[in-house]
Amino acid sequence: DADVTQTPRNRITKTGKRIMLECSQTKGHDRMYWYRQDPGLGLRLIYYSFDVKDINKGEISDGYSVSRQAQAKFSLSLESAIPNQTALYFCATSDPGVDTQYFGPGTRLTVL
Amino acid sequence: AQSVTQLDSQVPVFEEAPVELRCNYSSSVSVYLFWYVQYPNQGLQLLLKYLSGSTLVKGINGFEAEFNKSQTSFHLRKPSVHISDTAEYFCAVSDRGNTGKLIFGQGTTLQVKP
Repeated sequence: DADVTQTPRNRITKTGKRIMLECSQTKGHDRMYWYRQDPGLGLRLIYYSFDVKDINKGEISDGYSVSRQAQAKFSLSLESAIPNQTALYFCATSDPGVDTQYFGPGTRLTVL
Repeated sequence: AQSVTQLDSQVPVFEEAPVELRCNYSSSVSVYLFWYVQYPNQGLQLLLKYLSGSTLVKGINGFEAEFNKSQTSFHLRKPSVHISDTAEYFCAVSDRGNTGKLIFGQGTTLQVKP
């Protein structure tokens, strides 16, 4: 079984809808991250969390919110989706001290 | 703050030829350096990383990278590529465990031709 899983893998939605992307991990890591990937821009950090009570904004957090329900679960929400949030979204966990991150398979989100 | 620049957006190369993917970074603090690979329709997986010690780092699938502090570079090399190396490659830096955040470059698409 994969160490980092994301659901759904693909989602098409309409402008204005609320969307939740979910991430679960079995690696036992405290640190979790959400990124979005756009062609030509690489990956950009949306939010990150050091534990259940410690959540921090990344470089592009506007329009997004997160919830850390447990050590193993970190969800990303789009409160009111807009077309420029169409992207590939990745969740990752990290090994503290050496910063190696382990990525999920990604969620492809399309906002019409 | 850190930033990463990957100097080539696409690198076409013939099978069995050598390849170099270039990465430069800027940072006011010491960093850890990483190369990740993304195969089509998959997530990212770690190729190699530099934390400290020897500046030549060997990774999976025959790749290696050299950390050059004076030139703030971390170029990725492979002496002989295979069709299966076709993928997107990302260089990244972190702030040595302070936040664990990775700052990624824009990515380089390696296209290996038969």
